[in-house]
Amino acid sequence: AQTVTQSQPEMSVQEAETVTLSCTYDTSESDYYLFWYKQPPSRQMILVIRQEAYKQQNATENRFSVNFQKAAKSFSLKISDSQLGDAAMYFCAYRRLDNYGQNFVFGPGTRLSVLP
Amino acid sequence: EAQVTQNPRYLITVTGKKLTVTCSQNMNHEYMSWYRQDPGLGLRQIYYSMNVEVTDKGDVPEGYKVSRKEKRNFPLILESPSPNQTSLYFCATLAINEQFFGPGTRLTVL
Repeated sequence: AQTVTQSQPEMSVQEAETVTLSCTYDTSESDYYLFWYKQPPSRQMILVIRQEAYKQQNATENRFSVNFQKAAKSFSLKISDSQLGDAAMYFCAYRRLDNYGQNFVFGPGTRLSVLP
Repeated sequence: EAQVTQNPRYLITVTGKKLTVTCSQNMNHEYMSWYRQDPGLGLRQIYYSMNVEVTDKGDVPEGYKVSRKEKRNFPLILESPSPNQTSLYFCATLAINEQFFGPGTRLTVL
């Protein structure tokens, strides 16, 4: 079974600085998707960024980028120019490509605080 | 507007009193799923449904039931709730490679 690990339960960053959240996963599949979700205090789950395993290029979305190391099974999220609105719980998630069985496996989350 | 709705958003109940959390989607997605979120554990899948009348267990199905009689609705049923089912519950649909989550239901079982 696939597992997703986030080794940092909590992190903090100064406003305008850069922070990296780590995520590792375990799978025997060669094709899959990886995701970072943001959960602000409103509890809504918001997709931040998505990476297809077959793509070597790291995904980026404005101030958010990932460092995808397939061989190491590592998928870290970098937030540049941190803003107060980035304070939230961040979940790393893995998804198999096929549509049978369980789809998404989530990590335990990292709570990010942004200090003014 | 594409959305997933859940009701109720908050619920406090007592042990053993049957309850249903409704989930409805307007995106005509075939796949729907229920998760529970607990501190330090992330989101764990309870049940999922590939299509109408097709449901299967996720990681933590004990104490829960679901039904999928029509495509848009996927209710979660707790026949005899217990305090260990106190949690935050999310319904979600899936389109290609993105999940759409409902707003969550905070359930407290006393």
